[in-house]
Amino acid sequence: QAGLTQPPSVSKGLRQTATLTCTGNSNNVGNEGAAWLQQRQGHPPKLLCYRNNVRPSGIAERFSASRSGNTGSLTITGLQPEDEADYYCSAWDSSLNAWVFGGGTKLTVL
Amino acid sequence: QAQLVESGGGVVRPGRSLRLSCAASGFYFSRYSMHWVRQAPGKGLEWVALISYDGRISYYADPVKGRFTISRDNSANTLSLHMNSVISDDTALYFCVKEANAFDIWGQGTMVTVSS
Repeated sequence: QAGLTQPPSVSKGLRQTATLTCTGNSNNVGNEGAAWLQQRQGHPPKLLCYRNNVRPSGIAERFSASRSGNTGSLTITGLQPEDEADYYCSAWDSSLNAWVFGGGTKLTVL
Repeated sequence: QAQLVESGGGVVRPGRSLRLSCAASGFYFSRYSMHWVRQAPGKGLEWVALISYDGRISYYADPVKGRFTISRDNSANTLSLHMNSVISDDTALYFCVKEANAFDIWGQGTMVTVSS
């Protein structure tokens, strides 16, 4: 099953803004949008956003998501040391009847 | 508070079977679709299977189709994954995940190691 495409790594400075991308197709990201998850080392993933930009309770407004065509984006403003983590996008693929994940982006906060 | 606790992982020989379980608490288990997602050591997340809230519909990732079976017992708030004919590529941390629009609640995972 084809997965979503994410850049392997992104590095940004403290208090800067990072934008992570996730590219799929019209059957997944381009259909219902992507969900974004954060995984810190040694911990299970945590949901940050879904349906492009709906945040679960307790998720900071610094995390926001958007979509343009078949590409979803996660923007993190005011980067903090605790934002250093792996970020995954995921989406339901209506042609595969399967959930697909991106390979993950490792965010480094300098 | 919603919680998922996986169990049943361990070391299993290639070709053998293993059954994973997930105990749910703190939410109405029978109202939500549930998933298994795995993560091989040092690798990314891989979706494995989902089952609908009532157990009538299930879907599987291609690598496990025909070998794994997802099931649930809504009366016991339990999710299961029956793993048959395991191979080395099945070695991973297996997460039980609740779906409310997306993967909103994750367990801590149970480790499965396929080794002779």
